[in-house]
Amino acid sequence: EPEVTQTPSHQVTQMGQEVILRCVPISNHLYFYWYRQILGQKVEFLVSFYNNEISEKSEIFDDQFSVERPDGSNFTLKIRSTKLEDSAMYFCASRTTGGYTFGSGTRLTVV
Amino acid sequence: EDKVVQSPLSLVVHEGDTVTLNCSYEVTNFRSLLWYKQEKKAPTFLFMLTSSGIEKKSGRLSSILDKKELFSILNITATQTGDSAVYLCAVEANAGGTSYGKLTFGQGTILTVHP
Repeated sequence: EPEVTQTPSHQVTQMGQEVILRCVPISNHLYFYWYRQILGQKVEFLVSFYNNEISEKSEIFDDQFSVERPDGSNFTLKIRSTKLEDSAMYFCASRTTGGYTFGSGTRLTVV
Repeated sequence: EDKVVQSPLSLVVHEGDTVTLNCSYEVTNFRSLLWYKQEKKAPTFLFMLTSSGIEKKSGRLSSILDKKELFSILNITATQTGDSAVYLCAVEANAGGTSYGKLTFGQGTILTVHP
């Protein structure tokens, strides 16, 4: 069964550093998303991406965040200057008519 | 603001029991309701519901949607220890036209099945 692949599975970074989280969505999907889940809290929407541009973003997705699809297969989330409160599990997802498929997540720990 | 509320927050049962998990929602421009099972990391897709009153089944799991009363239930019969997980309900809103929108998640129901 097709999968959404995320790398790395776990990243530890120092506060103020930039991180890039990577995702390879399912190849024939056209809609891509990033969600995050802070430990013990709900899964929260960050951003959706379609046709090489952001289609919707949440209040969480401020100027520190950006997304790119640089080469037609990878879909990246960049956090420019990480804060302690960015520590969370970040999930990439892609959507087709059958529903959403989530990747296995990247656990980001900011120290 | 879109809202999804699940109940109960946690449930402890024994193998063989039947459980019913509830999800109520308030969403502008409803498109679909989805159920996921989350064990360690990624939510695993269970069902997507778009029409009221049509039950979806997969083995021991089934789900139904009521768009008039704005809720859905997920039933698991003859529970097994492998059913222990967090069950997430999420509602998808239309982004405009026929575009797919974001998911708003509930807080999840933690199901523990004892042998």
